[in-house]
Amino acid sequence: GAVVSQHPSWVICKSGTSVKIECRSLDFQATTMFWYRQFPKQSLMLMATSNEGSKATYEQGVEKDKFLINHASLTLSTLTVTSAHPEDSSFYICSAPQGGTQYFGPGTRLTVL
Amino acid sequence: QQQVKQSPQSLIVQKGGISIINCAYENTAFDYFPWYQQFPGKGPALLIAIRPDVSEKKEGRFTISFNKSAKQFSLHIMDSQPGDSATYFCAASPNYGGSQGNLIFGKGTKLSVKP
Repeated sequence: GAVVSQHPSWVICKSGTSVKIECRSLDFQATTMFWYRQFPKQSLMLMATSNEGSKATYEQGVEKDKFLINHASLTLSTLTVTSAHPEDSSFYICSAPQGGTQYFGPGTRLTVL
Repeated sequence: QQQVKQSPQSLIVQKGGISIINCAYENTAFDYFPWYQQFPGKGPALLIAIRPDVSEKKEGRFTISFNKSAKQFSLHIMDSQPGDSATYFCAASPNYGGSQGNLIFGKGTKLSVKP
């Protein structure tokens, strides 16, 4: 199957700082990638759709100015959590479609102190 | 109408037993029903998926049963093993493969298989 990677796998930052998370499709190209957030013992919630060459589309209730998404190439999408606060602490997971199936990355654990 | 309801929240099964997880949906536009397996600290991995034109799909020890009229589908894990201990999510999408990103996930079931 297709492989999606994320970097870093975990990050700890101070409140007020910004954190960038990378999502890469390793063996295929993805014009679209998706970002999810998962709180402890909860399900995955779609945050936004990252589109190569155009603006990301955000789900209702997700602040686009806080969660900046850049789809820099056909294999890379980045999510930047700006001015992070403790309530942004969560598990962030990206995914990309290949052959009609969603492939998920391993996730990034963000802890904001 | 966008909800997918999953039960039970947690499940403990003896090694060699059958694990059964159930999901129900409301939106008749859903056309694709995958199950994902997630280990702690990892992203979800596609386990098995079904479309509503069949009532059952089997892959190894994993079987999906689908009841279109009842709008329910379930995952059966035969001969459950300790290595199957993980959280399982059902999902639904109006697009085959969920390739549009509009996967609606259930709340998950934490399965523990005791040796």
